[in-house]
Amino acid sequence: GAGVSQSPSNKVTEKGKDVELRCDPISGHTALYWYRQSLGQGLEFLIYFQGNSAPDKSGLPSDRFSAERTGGSVSTLTIQRTQQEDSAVYLCASSPRLAGDPNNEQFFGPGTRLTVL
Amino acid sequence: GDSVTQMEGPVTLSEEAFLTINCTYTATGYPSLFWYVQYPGEGLQLLLKATKADDKGSNKGFEATYRKETTSFHLEKGSVQVSDSAVYFCALQTLPSGAGSYQLTFGKGTKLSVIP
Repeated sequence: GAGVSQSPSNKVTEKGKDVELRCDPISGHTALYWYRQSLGQGLEFLIYFQGNSAPDKSGLPSDRFSAERTGGSVSTLTIQRTQQEDSAVYLCASSPRLAGDPNNEQFFGPGTRLTVL
Repeated sequence: GDSVTQMEGPVTLSEEAFLTINCTYTATGYPSLFWYVQYPGEGLQLLLKATKADDKGSNKGFEATYRKETTSFHLEKGSVQVSDSAVYFCALQTLPSGAGSYQLTFGKGTKLSVIP
């Protein structure tokens, strides 16, 4: 079946502009994660959605970052007033989050490479 | 907080050489441990995992054993191939309290290049 998809695959923007990154999780997966992969910081957790629960935003680096998940499926990560340090690959992952199962695997999308000039 | 430390790369090996990539962790509680692999131009893929002490995860000839006493999860392969060239990430996942997330905490990655 289809895996996690992300769009666009590449995004180049100018400093100060807003960008939106999209994630389509695997159908039926209730948990969705955003991570950021950058040269200096490695892979960092950003935000987590589980069903209709309030998201875990503990990894968002600043209030310029926000995300939403509509209808429990597609998610959009928005970065406002982009800065050069936002340049990174943004990865989305989904998992079935079986209740009580700590071992549910996260399936990753191919990522969106964001370059802020 | 939770953290993962893995050996710095890049690592360059000849085909059929033995591979070890070291990984140690710091975590509260009893984490599950993972190795993810990222092939050139592709997304992260789960390579193997172990969920409790002394468990051995294995896949595609790679192995790693969960060592609680040394808080380690070193990745090994007896004979690497050119197709194993990729970036390898060690990661941990701890049980959240309440309805928190099962987020992964990653090491910084080790780039492996295997030459013929």
